[in-house]
Amino acid sequence: DAGVTQSPTHLIKTRGQHVTLRCSPISGHKSVSWYQQVLGQGPQFIFQYYEKEERGRGNFPDRFSARQFPNYSSELNVNALLLGDSALYLCASSLARDRKNQPQHFGDGTRLSIL
Amino acid sequence: DAKTTQPNSMESNEEEPVHLPCNHSTISGTDYIHWYRQLPSQGPEYVIHGLTSNVNNRMASLAIAEDRKSSTLILHRATLRDAAVYYCILPGNRDDKIIFGKGTRLHILP
Repeated sequence: DAGVTQSPTHLIKTRGQHVTLRCSPISGHKSVSWYQQVLGQGPQFIFQYYEKEERGRGNFPDRFSARQFPNYSSELNVNALLLGDSALYLCASSLARDRKNQPQHFGDGTRLSIL
Repeated sequence: DAKTTQPNSMESNEEEPVHLPCNHSTISGTDYIHWYRQLPSQGPEYVIHGLTSNVNNRMASLAIAEDRKSSTLILHRATLRDAAVYYCILPGNRDDKIIFGKGTRLHILP
């Protein structure tokens, strides 16, 4: 079975540009979450989407947005990129909306570098 | 916030058991304890989770203290491939309760 897939694997952008990152969850998983992981730190929660609706949002500015499609795949968009947005962006999928008793399955991430 | 505390790093010898501790003194009655690990250049990998009883799966065992204020991830026989950063988290349904922290970097000595 295919795991969570993310594209692209690496991306280089300049300050002020916009970026779109994509995620395909495990087949049958309806929940997708996005995380940002800065070098040396643990992942930080950005969004959760379940059944195409936003179900959770972390402490990130409005420059970050996301959506989930009818096939449960998801996009993360970041506008007006800043140097501090350089990070590994992780997507995780799970079967249900509940976070407490649901293991999450992560992709290997998109490495975003801002010049 | 239900936060966890883990040692920054640990070392273990190959083929020996490893016990990774996690403190979570402010855990609530409905918080599950989850463990993930992250190998270099990969996303985190789910290891195990539990609520009150000890849990076992093919990867590891999770021992939960009776008062639930601490837990221990047990790798029964470490291999070099177990070298990773291990995260203990208490994922809640509130948006401010998904806190990974820095985890424990486990080094395995051949």
